[in-house]
Amino acid sequence: EVQLVESGGGLVKPGGSLRLSCVASGFTFSTYSMNWVRQAPGKGLEWVSSIGGSSGYIYYADSVKGRFTISRDNAKNSLYLQMSSLRGEDTGVYYCARDPLRWDPWGRFDDWGQGTLVTVSS
Amino acid sequence: EIVLTQSPATLSVSPGERATLSCRASQSLTSNLAWYQQKPGQAPRLLIYGASTRATGIPVRFSGSGSGTEFTLTISSLQSEDFAIYYCQQYNNWPRTFGQGTKVEIK
Repeated sequence: EVQLVESGGGLVKPGGSLRLSCVASGFTFSTYSMNWVRQAPGKGLEWVSSIGGSSGYIYYADSVKGRFTISRDNAKNSLYLQMSSLRGEDTGVYYCARDPLRWDPWGRFDDWGQGTLVTVSS
Repeated sequence: EIVLTQSPATLSVSPGERATLSCRASQSLTSNLAWYQQKPGQAPRLLIYGASTRATGIPVRFSGSGSGTEFTLTISSLQSEDFAIYYCQQYNNWPRTFGQGTKVEIK
């Protein structure tokens, strides 16, 4: 069974930084691209970033480009999202999601974690 | 950026009835469209991909159709567990984008 468990969320001040993690199990992590998707409170879904299985392909939404960095450690079955220069509009639940492709992400979200809440507020 | 417009915003349906949800894209997606279901307090779940292929474990009452710019999700006979928000999502162009969602509520 695929399991994705996010952590690292919390309350941070505007301009601050936070690092999210997602630990995967139940599948061979290195053979799948991975994604981050977020959801502001009471709002819809927004794709944030995607990374290929060997980190050779990386994509970002314009809203986070230059501020967020996606990475992965296949030896640890872990996906990360380093977030800096955080703004109020970054507040929301952040989900990690498994992609169906290996090297170059398709940006389709076949399996999801339960999410971790990030709140940016002074 | 491809804009996905879902309609209606809210759909009131009685249990056992059919529900038809629409998703229109601002440019052609061929068949690179997915549908997700989200219940309150839960993560989204993939229902349909490739516009019409059910994901693993999804009941046959869920079906998808369409190509190009017009897509439909049909729930043939609504069960109590189907009342939720449904999102379409395109994976044809970067950035990947979602529709704003259709809430299916009990009539």
